[in-house]
Order: sequence, then structure tokens, then C-alpha cells
Amino acid sequence: KQEVTQIPAALSVPEGENLVLNCSFTDSAIYNLQWFRQDPGKGLTSLLLIQSSQREQTSGRLNASLDKSSGRSTLYIAASQPGDSATYLCAVSRNAGKSTFGDGTTLTVKP
Amino acid sequence: DADVTQTPRNRITKTGKRIMLECSQTKGHDRMYWYRQDPGLGLRLIYYSFDVKDINKGEISDGYSVSRQAQAKFSLSLESAIPNQTALYFCATSDWPGRTGELFFGEGSRLTVL
Repeated sequence: KQEVTQIPAALSVPEGENLVLNCSFTDSAIYNLQWFRQDPGKGLTSLLLIQSSQREQTSGRLNASLDKSSGRSTLYIAASQPGDSATYLCAVSRNAGKSTFGDGTTLTVKP
Repeated sequence: DADVTQTPRNRITKTGKRIMLECSQTKGHDRMYWYRQDPGLGLRLIYYSFDVKDINKGEISDGYSVSRQAQAKFSLSLESAIPNQTALYFCATSDWPGRTGELFFGEGSRLTVL
């Protein structure tokens, strides 16, 4: 059974700092890995999706990497802003489009 | 308008009542999912549907049922609600096994069972 772990569970940084969020998974036979952002009480917004054949994806200040062999993905956020404060979730899919989610990292960026 | 729409957004009900959560999508995807989110437990898959005629149980289907009325509509029912079904429920769609298999989520339905 696939297990997805996100460390740390919570992170607080000053505005402007670069930061890395971690996601690890136990079964490397994945189809894709997706990073989401969730604001309190809201839905999940897709940030980046990495196919199993890819190593990384970038969107603006965000960069996600994937190392299937080690079962790890990182989400790099450059020059963090207070508006980046949210919970970040990673999800790994293997087959049939079913995804396994981590519990998330709650990020607070202080002005 | 949102691509994946859930109704109601908030619902408070009593133990034993029948509840239906509805989901509609305009993305044209065949695959639809219902997830449940609880603090500390992440998102867990309740049911998923490959198309109108193909519905499958997820990891926590007990106490729930679903109906896929059309490609665009997927409903989740709680036949007799109980307090531990209090949670945030999400509907999602995917273009699996198409271009990327990306998941798209609705805004969620918050259900409280008293």
C-alpha cells in the first residue's frame, strides 16, 4: 500500500525566504505526482504536476522535483510572500487515477 | 464558473438523516472521485467512477453510496448519517488516462452531523 509522508507538518518563515517542502512515498511505481495548495476551509488548487518520466516542473516562483528511485519530491518556493501562507499537499497516483495524499505541510510566511 | 461544482457547500444535519452531496463538472472528464478530508487523516478516497456504468469502492466506502447520473454528475449519499461522518467532502475529476491524469477539485462540502 502506498504511503505518502510530508515533513515538516508545519513551517514558519519570514517573508522573502526561500524554502523547501518535502514529500516522500513508499512505492516508486507511480504515474504522476501532484502538488496542491489548500487555503483554510477551501478546495485544493493544483500547483504543479510531474509525470513519472519527468524530473521537475516549474511555475513562476515554484519548482517541483521528482526522484522516483528514492521516493522523494520537493517543492521549492522562492522569495516567499505572506500570500503563500496555506497548506501544501502532495498526491501520488499509481493506477486508475486513484491518488494517495500526504497530510500536508502548513506554511506561514510572516511579513 | 467553477469547472467542478459541489452543492451544498455547508450542511448541518442530525444523526439518522439521509444526506446527498452533489457534484457536477464541465471539464468533460470521464473519471470522477469523492474524497473525505479529516484533520490529521488527510484525504481518503470514498468512491470513484470511470464512467456512467463503472463505479468502484475506495478505501472508506462503508456508510456511503454513489450515483453517476451522467458523465457530468456524480452524487454521494449518506443513507443514515452518523456523527463520525462529520468532515469536509471533495469531488474531483481527472482526464486519466489521457493527457496527464491531473486531478481537479471542487470547493468542498462541509458536513456536520449532530
